[in-house]
Amino acid sequence: QKEVEQNSGPLSVPEGAIASLNCTYSDRGSQSFFWYRQYSGKSPELIMFIYSNGDKEDGRFTAQLNKASQYVSLLIRDSQPSDSATYLCAVGSTLTFGKGTMLLVSP
Amino acid sequence: GAGVSQSPSNKVTEKGKDVELRCDPISGHTALYWYRQSLGQGLEFLIYFQGNSAPDKSGLPSDRFSAERTGGSVSTLTIQRTQQEDSAVYLCASSLGGEDEQFFGPGTRLTVL
Repeated sequence: QKEVEQNSGPLSVPEGAIASLNCTYSDRGSQSFFWYRQYSGKSPELIMFIYSNGDKEDGRFTAQLNKASQYVSLLIRDSQPSDSATYLCAVGSTLTFGKGTMLLVSP
Repeated sequence: GAGVSQSPSNKVTEKGKDVELRCDPISGHTALYWYRQSLGQGLEFLIYFQGNSAPDKSGLPSDRFSAERTGGSVSTLTIQRTQQEDSAVYLCASSLGGEDEQFFGPGTRLTVL
């Protein structure tokens, strides 16, 4: 049984701070890792994907992957109130999702 | 370009009825996926189509669930003899295949009374 674990939160950060979201996965053979953002009542929106160990940056977002530790994280710099949403970690080609971490950014 | 589209956006049905949900993937995407999202179970994989290959049906929860993909494009998810526990948001996604990123449609909210 493939599993993806995330802290459900909520994670509360002030505007302008760095938000750090974490995820662990059970299937050591996983090759692809994704972060989706989901606003209430909306479908998941892809914000980052990563395939190789290390860091990948895109604007205010950085994804980090450590396959040895089976760990993937998402950093959001200069957090904005509009970043308040649930962040879903997903792994593999037929995505296995974590339950999501709710992020709250206060003005 | 156009994203993934799904219809209907909402469906209310009575227990025991059959329902059909439709997905139109992004043009050029060869892979199509169905997921469902419910409060208790989170987001779970149902079925995957890749080109002309046999679909991966490993996520279908029972034999009441089936899906087709015609002409390598539009897909229909059919739920027969609906039960209350089938109430969920059914999401379709498409990609270029393999480990490529998947893009989701807006979903169909199914309510079984």
